[in-house]
Amino acid sequence: TQLLEQSPQFLSIQEGENLTVYCNSSSVFSSLQWYRQEPGEGPVLLVTVVTGGEVKKLKRLTFQFGDARKDSSLHITAAQPGDTGLYLCAGAIGSSNTGKLIFGQGTTLQVKP
Amino acid sequence: ETGVTQSPTHLIKTRGQQVTLRCSSQSGHNTVSWYQQALGQGPQFIFQYYREEENGRGNFPPRFSGLQFPNYSSELNVNALELDDSALYLCASSLVLRKDTQYFGPGTRLTVL
Repeated sequence: TQLLEQSPQFLSIQEGENLTVYCNSSSVFSSLQWYRQEPGEGPVLLVTVVTGGEVKKLKRLTFQFGDARKDSSLHITAAQPGDTGLYLCAGAIGSSNTGKLIFGQGTTLQVKP
Repeated sequence: ETGVTQSPTHLIKTRGQQVTLRCSSQSGHNTVSWYQQALGQGPQFIFQYYREEENGRGNFPPRFSGLQFPNYSSELNVNALELDDSALYLCASSLVLRKDTQYFGPGTRLTVL
């Protein structure tokens, strides 16, 4: 059974702080996606990482794919209230073209002004 | 460019009834995946459709079925509804060459009483 474990499950921080969310598995993924979801809405794709060791930056967000393609991290610098939401990691099993994504349970982030 | 749309937004049914949810894929996308997201959980893969055929299925019983139409839009049908079917149902579209990079619609909130 492929599982993606996210940690922490909940995070409440002050505006301006930095944070890191982790996504771990014992399985190897062909690619990994990070999404952000607002209450009552669908997940919004933030990034796809494909190569082991890959690092991608999206403004204040930095995403890293582990060398063995079993884990990933999301680092937010100087968090803002607009970053509040549910962050989900999702891994594609098999080839990148199977389309079956395994999701973690999510990390709920609250950034207080 | 039109994003993924879903209808209806909300739906209330009673146990034993049947329901049909609809999804229009993002412009240019020919692959559609359906997910179930229970409250406080990450989405779970139901199935995927490509070229009007089911192309991969998760651990869901046969009373969950789907269709894809020539214009790539899709339907999710659930028969003999159970209380545990209450969830947010998400549709995601992707290109056939990158099925792992999926773009989600806003979802349909189904409540089964």
